[in-house]
Amino acid sequence: GAVVSQHPSWVICKSGTSVKIECRSLDFQATTMFWYRQFPKQSLMLMATSNEGSKATYEQGVEKDKFLINHASLTLSTLTVTSAHPEDSSFYICSARDWERAQRGTQYFGPGTRLLVL
Amino acid sequence: GNSVTQMEGPVTLSEEAFLTINCTYTATGYPSLFWYVQYPGEGLQLLLKATKADDKGSNKGFEATYRKETTSFHLEKGSVQVSDSAVYFCALSNNAGNMLTFGGGTRLMVKP
Repeated sequence: GAVVSQHPSWVICKSGTSVKIECRSLDFQATTMFWYRQFPKQSLMLMATSNEGSKATYEQGVEKDKFLINHASLTLSTLTVTSAHPEDSSFYICSARDWERAQRGTQYFGPGTRLLVL
Repeated sequence: GNSVTQMEGPVTLSEEAFLTINCTYTATGYPSLFWYVQYPGEGLQLLLKATKADDKGSNKGFEATYRKETTSFHLEKGSVQVSDSAVYFCALSNNAGNMLTFGGGTRLMVKP
């Protein structure tokens, strides 16, 4: 149980295009989802917190117009990297929080999406 | 603010060796503490957790004890396997998992 999926797992795009990444909780409802970014051999950096039905909360230094987040349902959040540039190339990981399992809000992570912008 | 400090890697061990990865934290209140593992090319998996002082989290032979007096949550395993090779992240949350603060990660390499 507590499975989180991401799609796509790999994406290569040209500079200037927009890329949408989906994060789904498959067997539980996630009122809150989180988006992280991870550079090679580094730790995870929280980008934003996504709450179902409301606007995302972005961490300092993260451009909200660059990284659009939509959390339209209890099982789906999307991250859109708009007008992607090579410096946006990274590993993007989402996580979902499951309150109903009474696990003190443990976050369950997706497998990640590797983005390469040429 | 909250912070997590892990020992820097990589840690290279032979199979069946004893593993310790140190983790210390700074936080207000009574945080929950986690260890996550990331296998190559994958996302993070929850390995174990502890939610209050003196709790011991355990899973797949790994253990960590929440030590409030030393603000530590060291990860241990008595006998590592090649399949344990991965990056291990210590993390804390002091508001029921709403926001995780991660350590820098420690890469473990186990050689046959």
